[in-house]
Order: sequence, then structure tokens, then C-alpha cells
Amino acid sequence: GAGVSQSPSNKVTEKGKDVELRCDPISGHTALYWYRQSLGQGLEFLIYFQGNSAPDKSGLPSDRFSAERTGGSVSTLTIQRTQQEDSAVYLCASSEQGSGVRNEQFFGPGTRLTVL
Amino acid sequence: AQSVTQLGSHVSVSEGALVLLRCNYSSSVPPYLFWYVQYPNQGLQLLLKYTSAATLVKGINGFEAEFKKSETSFHLTKPSAHMSDAAEYFCAVSGGGSSNTGKLIFGQGTTLQVKP
Repeated sequence: GAGVSQSPSNKVTEKGKDVELRCDPISGHTALYWYRQSLGQGLEFLIYFQGNSAPDKSGLPSDRFSAERTGGSVSTLTIQRTQQEDSAVYLCASSEQGSGVRNEQFFGPGTRLTVL
Repeated sequence: AQSVTQLGSHVSVSEGALVLLRCNYSSSVPPYLFWYVQYPNQGLQLLLKYTSAATLVKGINGFEAEFKKSETSFHLTKPSAHMSDAAEYFCAVSGGGSSNTGKLIFGQGTTLQVKP
């Protein structure tokens, strides 16, 4: 079956521009997570969705970062006024539910963001 | 707060030798523990997980890990390394219990090199 997909796979942008990163989770998965992977910081949690709600946004590094999820499915992570320190691989994961023993998260291939 | 420490950012073994990747965790609640593998330019793939059932957990590709509460450890082992095991390995923790969001807190990762 189809796994988690993300687009674009690579994004190069200029400092100060806005970018949108998309995640299509596995069909039927109610929980969706965004993580960031960078050389300096490793793998960091950004935000968690349960359905269309985001009960945990504690990992968003600044107010330039926002995310939404519609129809309990597709999610978009938006970074406004990008900075060079935003360069990283952004990973999306989904799971059947947010907590409990079924919380196996399936990861997408990631979007590599480069801010020039 | 939860945290994960992976001892050794790089581990090198010979093909056929024992693989041992170390992970220690800190958690104020009974944890769920995970090992993920990441091959170059790919997303994360779950190797195995501990969810408070058996303390010795068997995963894919011949890997296993043992949860030791007294040592707060969850080390990953494989009796005989294959060249195809060369990758980056991440240990992760999330809090058990229904109120937990399931977000993963990752260690810094260990790169496994397998020499012929």
C-alpha cells in the first residue's frame, strides 16, 4: 500500500521567501507529526496533529513556522521569511493514533530545504 | 522531561561481528522505546519497539533490543553484521499512557560502518 509521501523532495529558496511543504499521510491514520533533521540539532519534533487539531505545537522554533491539516489528511508546513538556519530535512510521519501501543510512526522520505 | 542518549556517534564493526549500539533514556513515566534505521537519502524505518510487554524485543533484519529498567537502557544488538546494515540508527522515546501525544524524542544517532 501507499506510504507517507512528501513534496517537494527538494526545495531551494532565497532567504526571506516563504515556503510550503506538503505531507500526505497513510490513509486512515489520525495522527500526523512533523520533525526536522539538521546537522546541528539532530532530529527534533515540531508539531503533532490529531485529526485536524494540533494539541502539541511545542516544537515549532518560532512564529515564522505554522502548520495546518485539512480533512484529517493532508498537512502543510509553512515557513515564512526563511532564514539560513531553517535549512534542514523536514520529515513527516503518521500513525493510527497518537498514543498507546499502536503508535508506530511511519515516516515519509522528507523534504530537503536549502535556504541560500 | 524525556531524553535519549546514544553513546558513540560512530561505530565500526567487521562483517560478521557483533553489533552493539547503546541507548540510555530518561523518562518520568513508563516509556515506549523505539529503534529506527535511516539509509542514505531515505526516511526512517522502524526496526523494533518496546511497549511494556516482553523486555527482549525482536525486530526486523535480525536486530533485537533489551529493555533494562534498572539501567534505563535499551541497547540494540545483532549477532552478525552484514554490509547492508551500514546506516544511521536512532533510538527514540515517547511517554506511555493515554494522555501522551506519542511524539518521539530522538537520540543524536549512531552511524554504523561495516567493514568487509
